[in-house]
Amino acid sequence: DVKVTQSSRYLVKRTGEKVFLECVQDMDHENMFWYRQDPGLGLRLIYFSYDVKMKEKGDIPEGYSVSREKKERFSLILESASTNQTSMYLCASSSMNTEAFFGQGTRLTVV
Amino acid sequence: AQRVTQPEKLLSVFKGAPVELKCNYSYSGSPELFWYVQYSRQRLQLLLRHISRESIKGFTADLNKGETSFHLKKPFAQEEDSAMYYCALRSPAYSGAGSYQLTFGKGTKLSVIP
Repeated sequence: DVKVTQSSRYLVKRTGEKVFLECVQDMDHENMFWYRQDPGLGLRLIYFSYDVKMKEKGDIPEGYSVSREKKERFSLILESASTNQTSMYLCASSSMNTEAFFGQGTRLTVV
Repeated sequence: AQRVTQPEKLLSVFKGAPVELKCNYSYSGSPELFWYVQYSRQRLQLLLRHISRESIKGFTADLNKGETSFHLKKPFAQEEDSAMYYCALRSPAYSGAGSYQLTFGKGTKLSVIP
C-alpha cells in the first residue's frame, strides 16, 4: 500500500514561531508538493519539488520555504508563523506515470 | 498560466437523480486532467483521469477540448457519493524535464439527499 505520511495531524503554534511540517513518501516518487486547503479556496500550491535539492514556487509561496535533502522527504517551513497561516496543509507525491498520492493532512493553528 | 474553474461550491441532489459536477480549464498546451475526491475524514484520493477513459464508482468524465471542459457525471447518485470533489490539471513546469505542476479547482461539495 502506497504511503505518504505527514508527521503531525494537529499542531498549535504561537505567532512568530518557526514551524516545520514534515512529509515522507515510500514510493520513490520524483515529485512532491505542498498545498494548503481552505474552505471555499480549494487546494492552493505553495511549493513543489521534482528532485533532491530542487524546488519551485507555487501560487502562494510567501511566508513559506521548503527543503528536500532526501528524495523521500519534503519539509515545509514557516519561518515566522502568523495567524493567517492557520490552515490544513496537504503533502502529495507522484511520478510522471502516476496520479498524486496525498498525506492525511496537518491542521495547523497559529495563535 | 493554467487555471481550473469549478463554478459550483455546493451541489445538492436527491438519491437516484443524475449528477453533473462542472469543471472548466484554461491551458495553452495539451491538458492532462483528473478528478479527485475527499470523503469525510479521509485523505484526498484519485477518482479518475481523462487518459484512462474508465468509469469509477459509476462516474465518468469526458474531456471536451472545444469547450475546455472536463465535467464529472453519474446517472444515479448514491448517498455514499456525498463528498468534496476537486478537478485538477497537470502541466509541465518550466524548471526541467519531469517537473510539473498540479493545479486544483476550488472544489464542489456534493450532498446527496436520501
